[in-house]
Amino acid sequence: QVQLQESGPGLVKPSETLSLTCAVSGYSISSGYYWGWIRQPPGKGLEWIGSIYYSGTTHYNPSLRSRVTLSADTSKNHFSLTLSFVTAADTAVYYCARQHSGDYKSAFAMWGQGTMVTVSS
Amino acid sequence: EIVLTQSPGTLSLSPGERATLSCRASQSVSSSYLAWYQQKPGQTPRLLIYGASSRATGIPDRFSGSGSGTDFTLTISRLEPEDFAVYFCQYGGGSPHTFGQGTKVEIK
Repeated sequence: QVQLQESGPGLVKPSETLSLTCAVSGYSISSGYYWGWIRQPPGKGLEWIGSIYYSGTTHYNPSLRSRVTLSADTSKNHFSLTLSFVTAADTAVYYCARQHSGDYKSAFAMWGQGTMVTVSS
Repeated sequence: EIVLTQSPGTLSLSPGERATLSCRASQSVSSSYLAWYQQKPGQTPRLLIYGASSRATGIPDRFSGSGSGTDFTLTISRLEPEDFAVYFCQYGGGSPHTFGQGTKVEIK
């Protein structure tokens, strides 16, 4: 059974960098599929952050591209998100997900439980 | 950017009734990349439909998706108590992937 689990600090100071990791179990990320990050501010809708293939190919939301980096570590079977220069607007639940196929345009078929990140001094 | 507009914002129905949810794209899109998700309070979104009309693994057949071009529909044929939730449509074929604002299906 494939499981995804996000981890990282729940509180980040403004202007600092948010770093999250998504640990994958039950499936090797190097076997295929795109892996993505999506966030949801409290009480609001969903926003796609970006997606990565195990080989390192990435696709980013243009609105976040200048601040986002995705990476994948096949030896640890996890992938990561860094978001720099955070502000209060980056406060959200952050989800990692496995996409439905090896096409980065595909739907998000499996999701982690999500982790709440608050940006505050 | 493809903007997805969902209607209605809230749908008040009784168990056993039929629910029809709409998702309209700001321009014609490929059905291959149109998906629907269900999210219950405090829970993770769950993929229901991908490719506009294909049910994801384990999704009951009371859920169906249809549409093409700019207009897409999610239909729940007979509402079960566990179906009362928020539903989002999503399009992955543009840059960026975008989500609709959601339709809440509540108990009448």
